[in-house]
Amino acid sequence: AQTVTQSQPEMSVQEAETVTLSCTYDTSESDYYLFWYKQPPSRQMILVIRQEAYKQQNATENRFSVNFQKAAKSFSLKISDSQLGDAAMYFCAYRRWGDMRFGAGTRLTVKP
Amino acid sequence: DVKVTQSSRYLVKRTGEKVFLECVQDMDHENMFWYRQDPGLGLRLIYFSYDVKMKEKGDIPEGYSVSREKKERFSLILESASTNQTSMYLCASRPGGIYEQYFGPGTRLTVT
Repeated sequence: AQTVTQSQPEMSVQEAETVTLSCTYDTSESDYYLFWYKQPPSRQMILVIRQEAYKQQNATENRFSVNFQKAAKSFSLKISDSQLGDAAMYFCAYRRWGDMRFGAGTRLTVKP
Repeated sequence: DVKVTQSSRYLVKRTGEKVFLECVQDMDHENMFWYRQDPGLGLRLIYFSYDVKMKEKGDIPEGYSVSREKKERFSLILESASTNQTSMYLCASRPGGIYEQYFGPGTRLTVT
């Protein structure tokens, strides 16, 4: 079974600085999808960014970018110019054809 | 915008009660999911459904059942609530194909 590991239960960053959240996963498949979801204190989970495994180019969405290392099975999220609104739980997720597998989450605190 | 709604944000039930959690999506998605979210454990899949009247067990189906009589509605049923089912319950939906999942706001269930 695929597993997703987020080794940082908590992280903090100063406003306007950059922070990287780590994620590793285990799979024997070559085609799959990876996601980062954000869950603010209001609890609605929203998609931050998505990466297709067959694409070598790292996905970017404004201040959010990923470092996808397929051979190492690593999928980290970089948040640049951190804002107070970035404070949330962040979940890394893996999906192939069936259901989505989530990591345990990283709680990000942004300090003013 | 995709909208996934859940019947209650907060629910308090007594041990042994039968509990119904309702989820409705308005985008004609084939797939619907029920997750349980606990600190340090991330999201764990309880059940999912890929079509009306179809259901599949996830990782932790014990003590739960589901019903999907209409495409837009997916219900989670706790046949006899127990204190260890106190948790946050998240519903999600997804269209067919390789797409991300869309989440509801969650239901915080407390069983006393």
